[in-house]
Amino acid sequence: NAGVTQTPKFRILKIGQSMTLQCTQDMNHNYMYWYRQDPGMGLKLIYYSVGAGITDKGEVPNGYNVSRSTTEDFPLRLELAAPSQTSVYFCASSPTGPVFNYGYTFGSGTRLTVV
Amino acid sequence: DQQVKQNSPSLSVQEGRISILNCDYTNSMFDYFLWYKKYPAEGPTFLISISSIKDKNEDGRFTVFLNKSAKHLSLHIVPSQPGDSAVYFCAASGNQFYFGTGTSLTVIP
Repeated sequence: NAGVTQTPKFRILKIGQSMTLQCTQDMNHNYMYWYRQDPGMGLKLIYYSVGAGITDKGEVPNGYNVSRSTTEDFPLRLELAAPSQTSVYFCASSPTGPVFNYGYTFGSGTRLTVV
Repeated sequence: DQQVKQNSPSLSVQEGRISILNCDYTNSMFDYFLWYKKYPAEGPTFLISISSIKDKNEDGRFTVFLNKSAKHLSLHIVPSQPGDSAVYFCAASGNQFYFGTGTSLTVIP
């Protein structure tokens, strides 16, 4: 049982380049999330999805795009990479919205550096 | 505008002693609170939670206390073990989870 799988684990981008961070879950969870964690900061919600075909913005969506064509996949797209997007990115999923006694299942993260 | 704060970036405790991790929040409308544990190169994993209608929840060595009037919660680990060394995040739930900045716990053998 893989849970939430993120690829790649590490990536270095040049300013202005684009890339897609992949996220796949095999638990048939309806809800999926993208967070970023900057040094010394808590996790900030970028985008989330409550089901296939439905996405919505979180706290810090600027510079990112998402799509949710299937229940399993929730890729995060950076179109024009900027140094401010240097961060660790976490994908997470849950069967419903914020759940009291379950929490989210997180992937292991993607460490992105923009130079 | 950090709604959930963990003011201690790090904590060191001797094995067998109690670890106390603290968390403060600003929004009195938060419904419940969770603690996550994170090892290096891994994602956070759910540890324990508490509803806003309770003031204590216990699970083995882990106990979370909630003081709503002070908007404060704490995680107690007794006895602390070296395997508890990790970063601990508290999170508060409204329409989404709001995460604190994390406290790095080191349990010294």
